[in-house]
Amino acid sequence: GAGVSQSPSNKVTEKGKDVELRCDPISGHTALYWYRQSLGQGLEFLIYFQGNSAPDKSGLPSDRFSAERTGGSVSTLTIQRTQQEDSAVYLCASSLGGKGRDEAFFGQGTRLTVV
Amino acid sequence: GNSVTQMEGPVTLSEEAFLTINCTYTATGYPSLFWYVQYPGEGLQLLLKATKADDKGSNKGFEATYRKETTSFHLEKGSVQVSDSAVYFCALSDRQSNYQLIWGAGTKLIIKP
Repeated sequence: GAGVSQSPSNKVTEKGKDVELRCDPISGHTALYWYRQSLGQGLEFLIYFQGNSAPDKSGLPSDRFSAERTGGSVSTLTIQRTQQEDSAVYLCASSLGGKGRDEAFFGQGTRLTVV
Repeated sequence: GNSVTQMEGPVTLSEEAFLTINCTYTATGYPSLFWYVQYPGEGLQLLLKATKADDKGSNKGFEATYRKETTSFHLEKGSVQVSDSAVYFCALSDRQSNYQLIWGAGTKLIIKP
């Protein structure tokens, strides 16, 4: 695609429900990153994929958070039993090879509100 | 661990003023350094980058020089415009952290006409 696409753009969910956030990276980009942007916390890393494998899951805040990537392309971030502190903008980024020098392209984000 | 510190905002300037947003970093390796910008209602986009010491990144009139001796990557622009109003993020990445971006807190810039 032309850019990184995330869906939905906005999601309001009740506390305790599960949510799935989707990311379509730029075609051909092997590296994919999830970040979270919340008030008072800034931007924080969640998980990194190289192809379909996730060599770095160190940023996932709890075992309620999981992510997968299939076909070296689409990624899904799942939050189970959502809590109010999960409210944030979830950002996905992709880069060509994940070698640091490559520019990371960001999606518009999914704004998650847990009520 | 690696970290990025940037000046707190908001920074409010008049149009055509000189801009400096300070950014310093801590890293054990040899990171690449970035400035990202987030315009109101839009996603993050790369403004400029530098991948080794003494490199200067530049774009849209903005510049930043990778200073290893002072571990800094300050963002400058000689004459700001109202359209530069946005949140600016300094970030680094390196091999030891799988090239994830480590972010500063962001600096909100407000330019008044």
